[in-house]
Amino acid sequence: KQEVTQIPAALSVPEGENLVLNCSFTDSAIYNLQWFRQDPGKGLTSLLLIQSSQREQTSGRLNASLDKSSGRSTLYIAASQPGDSATYLCAVGGYQKVTFGTGTKLQVIP
Amino acid sequence: KAGVTQTPRYLIKTRGQQVTLSCSPISGHRSVSWYQQTPGQGLQFLFEYFSETQRNKGNFPGRFSGRQFSNSRSEMNVSTLELGDSALYLCASSLATVRTSTDTQYFGPGTRLTVL
Repeated sequence: KQEVTQIPAALSVPEGENLVLNCSFTDSAIYNLQWFRQDPGKGLTSLLLIQSSQREQTSGRLNASLDKSSGRSTLYIAASQPGDSATYLCAVGGYQKVTFGTGTKLQVIP
Repeated sequence: KAGVTQTPRYLIKTRGQQVTLSCSPISGHRSVSWYQQTPGQGLQFLFEYFSETQRNKGNFPGRFSGRQFSNSRSEMNVSTLELGDSALYLCASSLATVRTSTDTQYFGPGTRLTVL
């Protein structure tokens, strides 16, 4: 059974800092890994999808990496802004099923 | 292209009642997944439908059921509501062209269900 863990559960940083969010999974037999952000009371917005054959994906200030052998993914956010404040979730796509992590709640302080 | 839509957005029910939630996926998407999100349990997978067939199911009691229509629209039904069913119910659609694959998921805004 796939288990996905995100540490830390909450993070507070001053505006402008670069930061890294972590995602760990127990079963390396995955198809892909996806990062989402969720604003309070809202649905999830897809940020990046990394296929199992890829090592990283980039979109603007965001960079996500994947290391299947160690069961880890990181989401790097450069030059953080108050608008980045949200909960970030990673989701591991396996055989017919997607397993979500518990999320990291990020607060960027102006 | 229109995104995933869910109706209704908000719902208030009392214990013992039943409820039906609807999800319309992005045009062309054949996979629809349902999730329950609560502050205590986080995001939990309910079930997934692909081309009108349920191909995966989470660990929820039989009171939770769903179906998918030929146009890929999906409904989720919860019977005999309990207080603990209060949650945000999210629907996600995916292109998932192969029955066994998972692909980028696009989420709807969710339905906020409150059980009194």
